[in-house]
Amino acid sequence: GNSVTQMEGPVTLSEEAFLTINCTYTATGYPSLFWYVQYPGEGLQLLLKATKADDKGSNKGFEATYRKETTSFHLEKGSVQVSDSAVYFCALSDPANTGNQFYFGTGTSLTVIP
Amino acid sequence: SAVISQKPSRDICQRGTSLTIQCQVDSQVTMMFWYRQQPGQSLTLIATANQGSEATYESGFVIDKFPISRPNLTFSTLTVSNMSPEDSSIYLCSVEGSGRGYYEQYFGPGTRLTVT
Repeated sequence: GNSVTQMEGPVTLSEEAFLTINCTYTATGYPSLFWYVQYPGEGLQLLLKATKADDKGSNKGFEATYRKETTSFHLEKGSVQVSDSAVYFCALSDPANTGNQFYFGTGTSLTVIP
Repeated sequence: SAVISQKPSRDICQRGTSLTIQCQVDSQVTMMFWYRQQPGQSLTLIATANQGSEATYESGFVIDKFPISRPNLTFSTLTVSNMSPEDSSIYLCSVEGSGRGYYEQYFGPGTRLTVT
């Protein structure tokens, strides 16, 4: 079946530090992969996506590369800011096998301190 | 992308009562989804709502507890019935956007429900 495993948090970093949040997945087919971000008190926002192997999604300085050989989609940012403090969710969809069902990881809470 | 609004944004309710949450989308969409996010947890899909047909519920969720309406292509409601403190969660609606061969989902801001 399909599932997403995410690095457990919480993660606390100083401003301008390098960020990596690990995400690995299990899928029966060829899924699309996503990172969503949830800022305090808000709903989820799509941060970036990749729809096939070796694609790199990027947005707001965040990047993630779809690695089929390691079944991973790790989120990275070279220099975090206080405003990046949020909860980050890795997710996948596998339309060919499970239609519009989305599978979410457990979320990783990030706090960036000045 | 779609712009989604939810009402109410938060509420505090007494056990045994019911609350109806509204979800409005700024464009016509075929499928709408309702999720629950319990404190400190990830999202759990409650049901999928198509316009003109009954909602499809995921394992562990039943229509009597979470009745859903989908009267048109831009609107849906979720009712949390006979509430207990265990129903305290954030309830999120989402809609599907599609590209070439993939789906993505857009979420509303959520309704934060506290049951006392």
